Amino acid sequence: LAKTTQPISMDSYEGQEVNITCSHNNIATNDYITWYQQFPSQGPRFIIQGYKTKVTNEVASLFIPADRKSSTLSLPRVSLSDTAVYYCLVGYSGAGSYQLTFGKGTKLSVIP
Amino acid sequence: ETGVTQTPRHLVMGMTNKKSLKCEQHLGHNAMYWYKQSAKKPLELMFVYNFKEQTENNSVPSRFSPECPNSSHLFLHLHTLQPEDSALYLCASSQDRRGIYNEQFFGPGTRLTVL
Repeated sequence: LAKTTQPISMDSYEGQEVNITCSHNNIATNDYITWYQQFPSQGPRFIIQGYKTKVTNEVASLFIPADRKSSTLSLPRVSLSDTAVYYCLVGYSGAGSYQLTFGKGTKLSVIP
Repeated sequence: ETGVTQTPRHLVMGMTNKKSLKCEQHLGHNAMYWYKQSAKKPLELMFVYNFKEQTENNSVPSRFSPECPNSSHLFLHLHTLQPEDSALYLCASSQDRRGIYNEQFFGPGTRLTVL
């Protein structure tokens, strides 16, 4: 059964590093892990994608352990504008089918 | 601007009406998706099309009827909806369904209210 789990909410002060973890025990062998950011009444926006180890871009880092059963999105020095909902997206294979599954989202609140 | 457009942006309809939502992508992608997002709830995947063929239907009621005439256009036909169907309907596209090219680009959504 495909299941992607992430914390419902997190609070952080401005300037701190925030780490959001997603667990995905049955991830498909060849699939990537993708993270999205969503502001109210807007469509989600791509943040970062990775397959294993560590990926870094101008806005975030993504850490993926060797077993790939989880991933951690790291946002360095968050600001008020980072207040949003963050989703992980993972693909699952099983019983001859393939399913893309979004996590339920982590609502990040950045406090001044 | 993500390259995915949706019309209309807002729609109010009665339970006996028939309406359609339109999505168009200008990215040359092969996969297109419909999502439902109710107030303060996570994304719910409704339908997936890959190369114009439907590959996923996540137990969506038949009052929602998707149509994908080509890889650039996706429609969601609505009829005899219920008030609980009021939500933000999001369309997305990606180059492929899986692998490194499965990054989804989302449209701005259609805010649907069913009276």
